[in-house]
Amino acid sequence: DTAVSQTPKYLVTQMGNDKSIKCEQNLGHDTMYWYKQDSKKFLKIMFSYNNKELIINETVPNRFSPKSPDKAHLNLHINSLELGDSAVYFCASSQSRTSGFGETQYFGPGTRLLVL
Amino acid sequence: RKEVEQDPGPFNVPEGATVAFNCTYSNSASQSFFWYRQDCRKEPKLLMSVYSSGNEDGRFTAQLNRASQYISLLIRDSKLSDSATYLCVVKRDHGSGNTGKLIFGQGTTLQVKP
Repeated sequence: DTAVSQTPKYLVTQMGNDKSIKCEQNLGHDTMYWYKQDSKKFLKIMFSYNNKELIINETVPNRFSPKSPDKAHLNLHINSLELGDSAVYFCASSQSRTSGFGETQYFGPGTRLLVL
Repeated sequence: RKEVEQDPGPFNVPEGATVAFNCTYSNSASQSFFWYRQDCRKEPKLLMSVYSSGNEDGRFTAQLNRASQYISLLIRDSKLSDSATYLCVVKRDHGSGNTGKLIFGQGTTLQVKP
């Protein structure tokens, strides 16, 4: 059973195109995230949704628009793709806690985006 | 300067060796600390949380020094299967609900050789 799944796994596209990446989690978590991992391997958060509400929105170009239709899904739409958007995009989910230690985040397998 | 800094390595060690990774973080508001493991072309997975008193999980020992803002991971009796990138991660409260923000280091690559 896949806990956090993403589609597509690979995406090769031309500059200027619009593309979407989908993410689904079956863990019953209330929080989902999008991360970008660049060629230097830095993993950086882009967005986070808690119960379908946007709670983290890092300095990301407006061309990136997340959408959470329900708690189990978080999609990422990218307009006017640029060469610099080439990276691996990871979706993750976690269950927020009222107390105790930080919650564990579970990552999807990643979507490798190459913009030509 | 990055908020979480690690030596990217690579660390090349023989099987059975003991290897230690260090990490420093700059934001004293960081609340929770973790080591994640990322295999080549795979997603990061939680290896272990890091507690103030230090904690051990089998061959892995994690230490935290809040005063120095320093985290370490020690791997004893290295196995070939330990070859991966080890990511130092700190969590900061984002202020919205109870969900924090994870800040990842660049990762330290370990290659265990036969």
